[in-house]
Amino acid sequence: GAGVSQSPRYKVAKRGQDVALRCDPISGHVSLFWYQQALGQGPEFLTYFQNEAQLDKSGLPSDRFFAERPEGSVSTLKIQRTQQEDSAVYLCASSLGQGNILEQYFGPGTRLTVT
Amino acid sequence: AQSVAQPEDQVNVAEGNPLTVKCTYSVSGNPYLFWYVQYPNRGLQFLLKYITGDNLVKGSYGFEAEFNKSQTSFHLKKPSALVSDSALYFCAVRDPSGYSTLTFGKGTMLLVSP
Repeated sequence: GAGVSQSPRYKVAKRGQDVALRCDPISGHVSLFWYQQALGQGPEFLTYFQNEAQLDKSGLPSDRFFAERPEGSVSTLKIQRTQQEDSAVYLCASSLGQGNILEQYFGPGTRLTVT
Repeated sequence: AQSVAQPEDQVNVAEGNPLTVKCTYSVSGNPYLFWYVQYPNRGLQFLLKYITGDNLVKGSYGFEAEFNKSQTSFHLKKPSALVSDSALYFCAVRDPSGYSTLTFGKGTMLLVSP
């Protein structure tokens, strides 16, 4: 069955460039999460959407990071003026509802390399 | 603040032997606990979770985990390891009160040798 998909799978950006990362959650999933996974580390929370509403953006590391989910399905994570420290795998996850007991389903991630 | 510790960077086990991957947590109140597995170039896959009830939770691919409140642990176990179990395993915790984020440990690489 269709899972969470992300595109592109790999992105190389020169320092200072803007990038946009796309996430297609599982159809009907209300909640959508973005995580950043640095090499050798576990995923770290960035932001959370319930439908189109961004309810938590406390994990976004700077104002260069922006996320949206305008129609409550597809989401885009945008990073402006990329820096080398932004190099990481960006994971998207979705879950059926909004409860804390629900497991999250993850996409394959986008590996961003900033040169 | 909630946190998870996975004290072992790597666990080595021979195929057919039992395996344990350790996880301890810190959270106010009773936790919601999760295990995920990550294969190379793939996203995290959900294995199992503890919400309430029986302390022994069974999950996918023959894995199970035991919740121990007094030791604040949630170790992942499997009676007989397979080479195909070799992967990166993440423990995660969520505070059940109100809305909370999912907090992951740094991961443990499991290597099963033939």
